[in-house]
Amino acid sequence: GQQLNQSPQSMFIQEGEDVSMNCTSSSIFNTWLWYKQDPGEGPVLLIALYKAGELTSNGRLTAQFGITRKDSFLNISASIPSDVGIYFCAGSDSNYQLIWGAGTKLIIKP
Amino acid sequence: NAGVTQTPKFQVLKTGQSMTLQCAQDMNHNSMYWYRQDPGMGLRLIYYSASEGTTDKGEVPNGYNVSRLNKREFSLRLESAAPSQTSVYFCASSRSLGEQYFGPGTRLTVT
Repeated sequence: GQQLNQSPQSMFIQEGEDVSMNCTSSSIFNTWLWYKQDPGEGPVLLIALYKAGELTSNGRLTAQFGITRKDSFLNISASIPSDVGIYFCAGSDSNYQLIWGAGTKLIIKP
Repeated sequence: NAGVTQTPKFQVLKTGQSMTLQCAQDMNHNSMYWYRQDPGMGLRLIYYSASEGTTDKGEVPNGYNVSRLNKREFSLRLESAAPSQTSVYFCASSRSLGEQYFGPGTRLTVT
């Protein structure tokens, strides 16, 4: 079946650093979504992208829908402690199912 | 506006017991979903309901049944629980294709 490759698997960040993560697919998607999950909670939708080339921001978060429709990127600028958590990408084609990445875990450097 | 609610929050079952996980949404969404999430892994779709009156299998449906009771409610039933079903279960809903909104999860342990 379809799979998403999400990288990196984990990142150690210091407060104030910029963060980048990405997802690639073997198939074309019509929609890319980025979610954040805090421990013990359900995933929360951060950004939704609907058009190839689209660049969308939500505060310090910026995500892009790749031109090939097979990838997407999420950037976090000037990270703060509450940014720690797991970030998931998900892609949707023409049916009701989302294909999920395995997640990128953001950890604060001690 | 509570969004997506799930009950119970925690449950411990013995092997072979049955139980039903409840999910309700107040966003007037057409589609609802059940996922499981195992430690260190992403989400895997168990069943979904594209609209009231329809249900379809997802990636990992074995050992589960679902009921779309009405537009608001979508339940997941484990008829005979097995240790391999120890997981965190999330319900989600969406108005249309794409954006799904999640509940807080049910943490299930089967001993």
